[in-house]
Amino acid sequence: KQEVTQIPAALSVPEGENLVLNCSFTDSAIYNLQWFRQDPGKGLTSLLLIQSSQREQTSGRLNASLDKSSGRSTLYIAASQPGDSATYLCAVFNNAGNMLTFGGGTRLMVKP
Amino acid sequence: GAVVSQHPSRVICKSGTSVKIECRSLDFQATTMFWYRQFPKQSLMLMATSNEGSKATYEQGVEKDKFLINHASLTLSTLTVTSAHPEDSSFYICSARDPRGGYEQYFGPGTRLTVT
Repeated sequence: KQEVTQIPAALSVPEGENLVLNCSFTDSAIYNLQWFRQDPGKGLTSLLLIQSSQREQTSGRLNASLDKSSGRSTLYIAASQPGDSATYLCAVFNNAGNMLTFGGGTRLMVKP
Repeated sequence: GAVVSQHPSRVICKSGTSVKIECRSLDFQATTMFWYRQFPKQSLMLMATSNEGSKATYEQGVEKDKFLINHASLTLSTLTVTSAHPEDSSFYICSARDPRGGYEQYFGPGTRLTVT
């Protein structure tokens, strides 16, 4: 059974810092990996999708990497802003494409 | 990107009543939709996978007679919480898989259910 772990569970940083969120998964037989953002009481917003054949994806200040063989992904946020404060979730899709398993999330607080 | 809507966004009901939540894919046809539940400060947990025209597949520990799922068309799946109790109060999110590529899932905005 796939297990997804995110470290740290919570993070508080001053504005402007570059930061890294970590995601690890136990079964490397994945189809893709997604990073999401969730604001309190809101639904999920997809940030980045990395196919299993890809190593990284970039969108603006966000960069996500994937090392499928070691079961790891990182989300890099450059020059953090207070508006980045949210919970960040990573999720992996199994090879059959019918199961998305979520990590526990990292709650990020960026202080002005 | 593809858009998924949910209705209602928020519902308060009395214990013992049933509540129906709708999930619609607005600009694509979704043969597969997923229902998740999220308790406060916890991550999403998959409840069931909804396939158009067939019975839903429930995750272990999810009561199929309590959480009725109907995926009657390629753009609509409904989740009915029957005989709701306060412990069913949660945030319910649906997602739909766009078959046009990538297995990417698109998520609805969620429904906050409060059972009093």
